[in-house]
Amino acid sequence: GQQVMQIPQYQHVQEGEDFTTYCNSSTTLSNIQWYKQRPGGHPVFLIQLVKSGEVKKQKRLTFQFGEAKKNSSLHITATQTTDVGTYFCAGPGRGSTLGRLYFGRGTQLTVWP
Amino acid sequence: KAGVTQTPRYLIKTRGQQVTLSCSPISGHRSVSWYQQTPGQGLQFLFEYFSETQRNKGNFPGRFSGRQFSNSRSEMNVSTLELGDSALYLCASSSTGAVTLETQYFGPGTRLLVL
Repeated sequence: GQQVMQIPQYQHVQEGEDFTTYCNSSTTLSNIQWYKQRPGGHPVFLIQLVKSGEVKKQKRLTFQFGEAKKNSSLHITATQTTDVGTYFCAGPGRGSTLGRLYFGRGTQLTVWP
Repeated sequence: KAGVTQTPRYLIKTRGQQVTLSCSPISGHRSVSWYQQTPGQGLQFLFEYFSETQRNKGNFPGRFSGRQFSNSRSEMNVSTLELGDSALYLCASSSTGAVTLETQYFGPGTRLLVL
């Protein structure tokens, strides 16, 4: 079945360092979505990428969607303690599974002050 | 607009019991999806309802069921609880459930502990 893989599982950085998480799908995706979950919280939508090779920025966050629409990355420049949380990528199903999201396992980011 | 609400927020049950969780979507949203989140398996899709009809179902046993009411509120039920059912249960709402186009808004979740 469709799978979305995400690495690394954990990342510990010092405040000010950069952070990147990578997402890879077993199938071509119509779009990829990114969510952030703070400790004890619930996933909050960050962004959706639709076009092949698309790059979107939100302040210090840069999101990329691969040319083949099978991989994506999230890069945070100069991390801050407010960036702490788990970042998930998710892709929609296809065919009979259209309407559901397949989530990666997430990358848990810890930022040391 | 008020966000997605879920009740109860925390629940403790014992094995063999059953539980019903409730989700009220954002006003105007007609699609409600349910996910189970555990440290071991991550976020797993349970099912999705739209206009009182189940449109998609994940790979969970029949002990997991759900329904949606005419006001779009949804409930999920887990019967004969097992220890492995301990998890955070999240519901997400969207306007039509078209995940190719729409954002899904998650509720705060119900944390279920099975003893």
